[in-house]
Order: sequence, then structure tokens, then C-alpha cells
Amino acid sequence: AQSVTQLDSHVSVSEGTPVLLRCNYSSSYSPSLFWYVQHPNKGLQLLLKYTSAATLVKGINGFEAEFKKSETSFHLTKPSAHMSDAAEYFCAVNTGTASKLTFGTGTRL
Amino acid sequence: ETGVTQTPRHLVMGMTNKKSLKCEQHLGHNAMYWYKQSAKKPLELMFVYNFKEQTENNSVPSRFSPECPNSSHLFLHLHTLQPEDSALYLCASSHPGGGRSPLHFGNGTRLTVT
Repeated sequence: AQSVTQLDSHVSVSEGTPVLLRCNYSSSYSPSLFWYVQHPNKGLQLLLKYTSAATLVKGINGFEAEFKKSETSFHLTKPSAHMSDAAEYFCAVNTGTASKLTFGTGTRL
Repeated sequence: ETGVTQTPRHLVMGMTNKKSLKCEQHLGHNAMYWYKQSAKKPLELMFVYNFKEQTENNSVPSRFSPECPNSSHLFLHLHTLQPEDSALYLCASSHPGGGRSPLHFGNGTRLTVT
């Protein structure tokens, strides 16, 4: 079984300050992990993905995430927030061979 | 332009109506998905199609009927819906058979059942 827990439903930061959105996962096998962003009235857009290569993954718009197996975490960070980053962020995990993602409940930034 | 186009963007229907949602992808993918997004709940996978064959039905009520005539098009036929079916319905596509393949989403259809 696989699951994702996004630890904060809302995160508020000032423009220009760092962003940290937390995600913990549970899986029986080596996971693939994803972060998506959803702006109002839009679908989900892929920010970045981890698929067992480098543990520090860089994505679009200055975001990055670090896979920490010992902590079963995949937190999303950005050094300096911008107004345009205001959106809903979803962490997702897949441990199977099919593209069947399990999503977290989202964090509103 | 997301590469995955959903129509209509908004739909209001009564409980006795029949309507259809349409999804089209121009990304050359062979797997397509329907997800339901309700407020305060995680995205719920509804159906998965790989190479036009349904490979996943996540215990979805029969009032939702999917159709995948080819790898580029996906429909969701709706009939006798309930108010609790009001939600954002998202279509997605990906390369098939790979857990490492990310999903590409459309902008969704906002459905309101009255």
C-alpha cells in the first residue's frame, strides 16, 4: 500500500522569504514521488519528480525537493517566494508499475 | 496550452439529465485517466485506460460511464447524478505501464448537479 501525508493544509509566507511544504510518504517499495501545483480554475501542473536518481531534484519555477529515505520525506522548498507561487500544491507517490498516483490532500500556499 | 484539453469547462445539470465530458490529448500518450477532485478531499482516481482498454475502475458508481474510442480521446458519460457528484473532474494522460511516468492534466470540468 502507498500513502502520502501533507503535514500542513495552509502555509503562509511573505514574498522574498523561503518556502517549505512538507510531505511524508509510506510505501512498501522504492517510490516515485511527484510534486504538482494547481492554480485557481486550472488543472495540476508537474513541478518536479523523483524516480530513484539524484536525491535532490530541481523543478520548474525555482522549486526543488529532497528525497530522504530514512525520514520517508519529500519536502518541497524554494529559496524566495513570489506572489505568483500562491496556489495549491500536491505531493503524490507511486510504488507500482502502473501510473497510479496516490495524492496528498494538498497545501495551500 | 496544456496538451490535454477538456470540454466543457463548466457544466450545470439536473439529476435527471444526461451529459458527457470530453477529454483530448495531443501528447502521444497511450494511457488516460479520470480523476474527481472534491473540496477537502484527496484526488480520487476513477478510471484508467491503457491503449484504449479499461484497466482500472475504482469502484465508481454506474451513473458514471467512461468511453475511450482511441488513445487520444476519453469521455465520461453522466446520467442520474446526485448532488454529491458535484466536483472538478480532471482528465490526465501519461505514457503507459510506468510508475515513473508523470501525469499530464487538463484544466478540468467544474460540474454542478442541482
